[in-house]
Amino acid sequence: DAGVTQSPTHLIKTRGQQVTLRCSPISGHKSVSWYQQVLGQGPQFIFQYYEKEERGRGNFPDRFSARQFPNYSSELNVNALLLGDSALYLCASSLNFYYGFSYEQYFGPGTRLTVT
Amino acid sequence: AQSVAQPEDQVNVAEGNPLTVKCTYSVSGNPYLFWYVQYPNRGLQFLLKYITGDNLVKGSYGFEAEFNKSQTSFHLKKPSALVSDSALYFCAVRDPSNTGKLIFGQGTTLQVKP
Repeated sequence: DAGVTQSPTHLIKTRGQQVTLRCSPISGHKSVSWYQQVLGQGPQFIFQYYEKEERGRGNFPDRFSARQFPNYSSELNVNALLLGDSALYLCASSLNFYYGFSYEQYFGPGTRLTVT
Repeated sequence: AQSVAQPEDQVNVAEGNPLTVKCTYSVSGNPYLFWYVQYPNRGLQFLLKYITGDNLVKGSYGFEAEFNKSQTSFHLKKPSALVSDSALYFCAVRDPSNTGKLIFGQGTTLQVKP
């Protein structure tokens, strides 16, 4: 089975532009999470979606938004890009979601976003 | 606030020697702890997790981790290091107020020399 896939692999955008990143979870996984990893730091949680509903949100501005589709794939949108948004954006899928339990999250290879 | 600390930016070890990558955590309630590895230009790969039970957890590629509640630590270990183990290692803890959220440490680079 294929792992988590993300597209595109690399992306270069200009300040003020908008970007959409895409993620397909492992087959059978219903939950998708997004993380931002700035060079030299650990990943920072942005969103989690399960069954098309937002289940968690990190400390990111409203310029960041996401959604999950009926096939459990997901998109992350970032508007009005800033230089500081340059990072590796990681998508992770997990089998399920249940309050009080933590399923392993399996990460994709990421999308490298460069904002100039 | 929940947090994870990895006190060493880099760990150097000779091939064949045992390795330890340190992690300490601060979290309310019972901790759910994870280790991930990241190779250059790749995503994170799951190694192992601790939820409850035996304090010694065995994971992928011969890695194991020791949970110590009194010291709030979750150190990653391997009895005999391989050059191919050289990578960036992240310790993470689940946020108890948002169970889908992992809080990561800043990462430790492991360098295994032949």
